[in-house]
Parts: sequence; structure tokens; C-alpha cells
Amino acid sequence: EDQVTQSPEALRLQEGESSSLNCSYTVSGLRGLFWYRQDPGKGPEFLFTLYSAGEEKEKERLKATLTKKESFLHITAPKPEDSATYLCAVQATGGATNKLIFGTGTLLAVQP
Amino acid sequence: DTEVTQTPKHLVMGMTNKKSLKCEQHMGHRAMYWYKQKAKKPPELMFVYSYEKLSINESVPSRFSPECPNSSLLNLHLHALQPEDSALYLCASSRPGPPAYEQYFGPGTRLTVT
Repeated sequence: EDQVTQSPEALRLQEGESSSLNCSYTVSGLRGLFWYRQDPGKGPEFLFTLYSAGEEKEKERLKATLTKKESFLHITAPKPEDSATYLCAVQATGGATNKLIFGTGTLLAVQP
Repeated sequence: DTEVTQTPKHLVMGMTNKKSLKCEQHMGHRAMYWYKQKAKKPPELMFVYSYEKLSINESVPSRFSPECPNSSLLNLHLHALQPEDSALYLCASSRPGPPAYEQYFGPGTRLTVT
């Protein structure tokens, strides 16, 4: 069964303290892996798409990387405005087209 | 522009009411989605439309009825809902795969069933 697991469930950082969020996946084959950011009561905001192992994408303080079993979202020198829930989702080759399998998310709190 | 709009923002309805949620996008996407999200949980897929045809129904109860009148609009008709249906309802759109394309989400409709 296709599965996505995110860790940790919650992470508290001091402003400027860099860290990484993990997304491990077990799928028959990977079509794509997606990272989203979600603020409370709002819809998820798209961050990155990764398609193959070794791929990396960057945007401001965020960098996403992909291996054959997991993806990392690296946050460099975070600011309080980076506080949110970060969701990882995959689309599997064995699954229905367009269907995303979501992890349960990492709740990030960055304190000033 | 990557905007998906949803109306209304909030909706309170009784168990005997009929109401509709609306979603609109102008990105030219031909795949549109409805998700349900409970507090502290990830979005849960309900329906997928691809080229205005229903392609995925995740065994959703018939009290939820989706409709895709054209390539820009998506509706979710609600009837005889239960209190446990209270949740954030999210609409999303994307280019239809394969390959895998990112989905863009709207702000959601907060639904409360009394």
C-alpha cells in the first residue's frame, strides 16, 4: 500500500535556527512529490515539485531534496513568519491519475 | 496567476438544508478537485474531475453531489448533512496528468452543520 510518513509531528525552533523536515514514502513508483505550506484555516500553498532522486529545488529560506525513499525540506535561518504546517504529498504510478497521498504534516513554530 | 476562488468563506447549515459550495479557476486547468479537511488532519480527497468528467469518487456519501458545469467552475451540492460533515472544504485545480502536476488550492469553505 502506498504510504507517506512525515517527521517530526511538531518542531519548535528559535529564529535563525536551521533544521530539516522529513517525508518518507513507500510507493510502487513515484510520479511526483509535492511540498505544501498551510496556515491555520487556509488552503495549502504550493511550494515545490520533485520528480526524481537527486533533484533539488530552492525558494528563499526553503530547499527541498529528494532521494529514492524520502524527501527533506531544509529551512535555513527561519523567521517567525515561516511558522505553519508543512505537508508532503506524493502521486504514485500505481495509483489513480491526479490522486495525491498526503502525509500528516509537520507543525513548525518559529519563536522570535 | 495561480488563484482558485471559493464561495462562501463560511457556511452554517441545518441537517435538512440544501446548499452549494462554489469554486472557480482561470488558469486553464482541466483537472479540478474537492477535498475535505478536519482539524489537525491532512486534506482528504473526495472527487476529481478531469476534462469536466468525474474521474475519481472516493466512496463519498450521496449527500455530497459534485458538478462541473464547465472547465472553470466546480460545485459541491450539499443535502441532508450530518454534524460530522463539519469541516474545511477545499477546492483545487491542476493540469491533468500524467505526468504529475502540482495542485493549487483555494482558501476553503468552513462548513458547520448544526
